[in-house]
Amino acid sequence: SQTIHQWPATLVQPVGSPLSLECTVEGTSNPNLYWYRQAAGRGLQLLFYSVGIGQISSEVPQNLSASRPQDRQFILSSKKLLLSDSGFYLCAWSVTHNTEAFFGQGTRLTVV
Amino acid sequence: GNSVTQMEGPVTLSEEAFLTINCTYTATGYPSLFWYVQYPGEGLQLLLKATKADDKGSNKGFEATYRKETTSFHLEKGSVQVSDSAVYFCALTINTGGFKTIFGAGTRLFVKA
Repeated sequence: SQTIHQWPATLVQPVGSPLSLECTVEGTSNPNLYWYRQAAGRGLQLLFYSVGIGQISSEVPQNLSASRPQDRQFILSSKKLLLSDSGFYLCAWSVTHNTEAFFGQGTRLTVV
Repeated sequence: GNSVTQMEGPVTLSEEAFLTINCTYTATGYPSLFWYVQYPGEGLQLLLKATKADDKGSNKGFEATYRKETTSFHLEKGSVQVSDSAVYFCALTINTGGFKTIFGAGTRLFVKA
């Protein structure tokens, strides 16, 4: 069966520090991978999606970046965090547009 | 462009009341439509889906019908329970050179005993 792992679950980082959130998927090949952010009391915002290794589409200009070094690994990064980067970050994967997206448990990031 | 609009919350209902959460979409092409649910402190889970016009998705007493003519996918449940309290997201997936899922802002539902 397929599983998705996302870590860490919670993170508190100072303003200006770097960020690396990792997401891995098991049990499937060549998935579509996504990073979403959910700000407090708000909906989901698509940040990045990837249809293959090294292929990253950015939805929103910001100080975040994403990379996909391996087929089932998706990393969200920042060189210098801002206060506004605080939120709940969700990684997800899907196979085709007819199937649902499967979500990780999320990472709650607080920038202080 | 592609987008999803759903009714703002929060929605507060008494147990056994009828629930409707409206969702409309704009999309180029033929999207698949989904409802996801997020319980407190958790990630999202698929609630139901419909992949083509006039399809009805259903699960756990919830239903939604893919209406192409009104570009809508409203979520309904005949009798809500306290355990249904959560945030509900309407979403579409579209092929834009890669399959992309776009979510509505979410609607928070509170059900009182």
